[in-house]
Amino acid sequence: GEDVEQSLFLSVREGDSSVINCTYTDSSSTYLYWYKQEPGAGLQLLTYIFSNMDMKQDQRLTVLLNKKDKHLSLRIADTQTGDSAIYFCAPEAEANAGKSTFGDGTTLTVKP
Amino acid sequence: ETGVTQSPTHLIKTRGQQVTLRCSSQSGHNTVSWYQQALGQGPQFIFQYYREEENGRGNFPPRFSGLQFPNYSSELNVNALELDDSALYLCASSPGSGSYGYTFGSGTRLTVV
Repeated sequence: GEDVEQSLFLSVREGDSSVINCTYTDSSSTYLYWYKQEPGAGLQLLTYIFSNMDMKQDQRLTVLLNKKDKHLSLRIADTQTGDSAIYFCAPEAEANAGKSTFGDGTTLTVKP
Repeated sequence: ETGVTQSPTHLIKTRGQQVTLRCSSQSGHNTVSWYQQALGQGPQFIFQYYREEENGRGNFPPRFSGLQFPNYSSELNVNALELDDSALYLCASSPGSGSYGYTFGSGTRLTVV
C-alpha cells in the first residue's frame, strides 16, 4: 500500500514563503492532492496536480512534483496568519479513487 | 449548492454501545467515502459507497459498516464501541467514482468512554 510522509511542523513569518514537502511510495499515483484542515474542521481541497505535470500554479499556491523521486511540495507565497492550519498531501492511484492515503500532515504556524 | 453535512457534530458513547453517524453528500455527488481521523493523525480510509454499493474498504473490522441511500446520503455504523474508536469521523463526497478530489464535511467528533 501507499505510505505518505510529511514533516510534522513548519513555522514561518507572515509575508514569507512556506514550503511543505511530501514523499510517497506508490509510483502509480496519478492524482496528487493537497488538503488544508483548520482547527475543529474537515478537510478543504486546496489544489492538485496530475502525475504527467511537473508544476502547477494557482494564485499564491505552487505545486511541484518530482515523479522520479516521488516527492511533492506545496509552496505558499506571501504566507498569511489565515494560512495557519494542518496541510495534508494525498496521492491517489486511479484504481483507488477516493480511497486516499494521508500522512499525518504538516502543521503550519504563521507568526505575525 | 450545499456542501457536505454531517450529523451529529459531537457525541459521547460508552464502550460496548453502538453508534450511527450520518452524512448528506453534496448535491449531484453519488460517491461517499468515510474516514477516521484520530487525534494528531491523518485521516484513514474506512470505506466508500458508489451508487448504494460498497466500492472498497480499508483496514477496518466488520463492526464498522455503512449504507448509502437512493438520495446518496450515507450512514456509518459502528458496533461494540471501543475506546480507540474515539476520533473525528469524516465523510467526503464526489460526483463520480473517479479521482475528482473530494468535498469533505466538518466531521463528527466521537468520544468513547
